[in-house]
Amino acid sequence: NAGVTQTPKFRILKIGQSMTLQCTQDMNHNYMYWYRQDPGMGLKLIYYSVGAGITDKGEVPNGYNVSRSTTEDFPLRLELAAPSQTSVYFCASRSSRDKGPTVYGYTFGSGTRLTVV
Amino acid sequence: GQQLNQSPQSMFIQEGEDVSMNCTSSSIFNTWLWYKQDPGEGPVLLIALYKAGELTSNGRLTAQFGITRKDSFLNISASIPSDVGIYFCAGQIYGGSQGNLIFGKGTKLSVKP
Repeated sequence: NAGVTQTPKFRILKIGQSMTLQCTQDMNHNYMYWYRQDPGMGLKLIYYSVGAGITDKGEVPNGYNVSRSTTEDFPLRLELAAPSQTSVYFCASRSSRDKGPTVYGYTFGSGTRLTVV
Repeated sequence: GQQLNQSPQSMFIQEGEDVSMNCTSSSIFNTWLWYKQDPGEGPVLLIALYKAGELTSNGRLTAQFGITRKDSFLNISASIPSDVGIYFCAGQIYGGSQGNLIFGKGTKLSVKP
């Protein structure tokens, strides 16, 4: 019963390097999300996906890319790391089986703490 | 876009005290949720509210969905050290933005043992 799994948990990047943050879920959820969390700023949506092959921008997409080739996986790509991307990144998922006003809450991973130096 | 105003931003309380925090919005929401984030972990759902006026409890936690559908509050009774963490409110407008949740900026709770 793994839920949402994120790897790595910690990473230090040099400016200009690239990396992929991995996210996988085993709950057969259609919706998946990437958030970044900066101190005192709450959770800001980077990208989301409503199903395999479909992605869309959130509030702060610049400097990031995503893909969704399977229901389970939703990797986040940083192409040219910048100090402004130092943050904690959370992946989340939810079921699309919301009927009427009911929505199922998001399940979050435990996060990736990224430092760009 | 929609915003949630969550207050207070942080608070220190003595163990055993009751805690209250709230979220307000200029928009009407169909669903309110409250999450807790422990240090070094992702947020975990505490309580979900689906109807205006609804009052729901989960142990020492009680949350209410405001009558106007523009606010919600969370109360924690008889706080204990493990209540430390960041509490987030989140709202959803059914059918809007793919049903994505909008999060408040969080209330950081610290308890003096």
